Amino acid sequence: QVHLAQSGPEVKEPGASVKISCKASGYSFTSNDIHWVRQAPGQGLEWIGWLNPNSGETGYAQKFQGRVTVSRNNALSTAYMELSSLRSDDTAMYYCARIVVPVVYFDPWGQGTLVTVPS
Amino acid sequence: SSDLTQPHSVSVALGQTARITCERNNIGRKNVHWYQQKPGQAPVLVIYNDKKRPSGIPERFSGSNSGNVATLTVSRAQAADEAVYYCQLWDNMTVLFGGGTTLTVL
Repeated sequence: QVHLAQSGPEVKEPGASVKISCKASGYSFTSNDIHWVRQAPGQGLEWIGWLNPNSGETGYAQKFQGRVTVSRNNALSTAYMELSSLRSDDTAMYYCARIVVPVVYFDPWGQGTLVTVPS
Repeated sequence: SSDLTQPHSVSVALGQTARITCERNNIGRKNVHWYQQKPGQAPVLVIYNDKKRPSGIPERFSGSNSGNVATLTVSRAQAADEAVYYCQLWDNMTVLFGGGTTLTVL
């Protein structure tokens, strides 16, 4: 069974960085891209970026360019998303999700990691 | 516009049919996917490639996509179908999500 397990909740001060992990199981980690999506409290879904675990290629939404880095450790079947220069409006649930190529849809999603940045 | 436009809310009587739309110019040329999100849970894929159902998703969920509108149809709506539904597509190396529609089963 394909499963994505994310790291636990984080509380960070403004200006700090946060790094979230997403551990994959039940499939070959390098066979599918991993994407990151966030959801502010009471709001909709917002796409952050993606990672190809095989090649290491990445892509980011323009809004997050320069402030986000996605990476991986293939030996651990784990993807990471680091967001820097945190602000209060970065407070959100952050999800990783696997895509099924060649069409980009997400299945499954991780359980989410809550990142809180007090104002 | 690159935005995906969904109604904020849709209500349906128990056992009746609900239709949730997702509008964008020429959306029919793209593959559209739909997710169900219940409170406190991660989204779950319910329709992919316009009209395909993942295993485990009831046949009551169906999809269509043509012209400027993609539609998620929930037939014989049940209380368990109450959730927020999001449409999504991939275009120009970017993932787009609709704003989400809250489905209420009366």
